[in-house]
Amino acid sequence: AQSVAQPEDQVNVAEGNPLTVKCTYSVSGNPYLFWYVQYPNRGLQFLLKYITGDNLVKGSYGFEAEFNKSQTSFHLKKPSALVSDSALYFCAVRAPNKLIFGAGTRLAVHP
Amino acid sequence: DAGVIQSPRHEVTEMGQEVTLRCKPISGHDYLFWYRQTMMRGLELLIYFNNNVPIDDSGMPEDRFSAKMPNASFSTLKIQPSEPRDSAVYFCASNLRDMAYNEQFFGPGTRLTVL
Repeated sequence: AQSVAQPEDQVNVAEGNPLTVKCTYSVSGNPYLFWYVQYPNRGLQFLLKYITGDNLVKGSYGFEAEFNKSQTSFHLKKPSALVSDSALYFCAVRAPNKLIFGAGTRLAVHP
Repeated sequence: DAGVIQSPRHEVTEMGQEVTLRCKPISGHDYLFWYRQTMMRGLELLIYFNNNVPIDDSGMPEDRFSAKMPNASFSTLKIQPSEPRDSAVYFCASNLRDMAYNEQFFGPGTRLTVL
């Protein structure tokens, strides 16, 4: 069965520093991986996806994610964090006709 | 397009009352999903439809919950009777065809409080 794990409930980072939000996956077959972000009192918004091709995927708001097949990871990264990046981040994997979401990681960026 | 539309945005009701949540997906999308989000359980998939047909309702917590999609532009999630443990934010989302290639769009959610 497809699954994702987000090992950190919360990540704290200072504004201007690089950030990483971790995600590992377990799939049978080729992985289709996604990151979504949820701002307070809003629905989830798509950030980026990995289907095939380059292991480094670029997405919205300056975020990128690195797909690592040997480590079964798909970590979300950003070179320089902004306070406005503070939100809840979800990793997801495609299962047949639906997405399986992780538990979410709360990112707090401090001025 | 206005995106996925949900109503009401907030609902406060008393235990035992019937609650109906509404969703209008993005026009042309083939898939519609209902999720529930709580602090304790995170984001849970309740049910999804493809071309108005329910495909997987294994996430529906119990018989008090029911969902319908009478046409491509409208879906409802009904709870009857409601209980305090049903308090959560309920999201509707829609997708165009194969979600391997198409992102899922979420509505703003309905915050349900059952007293």
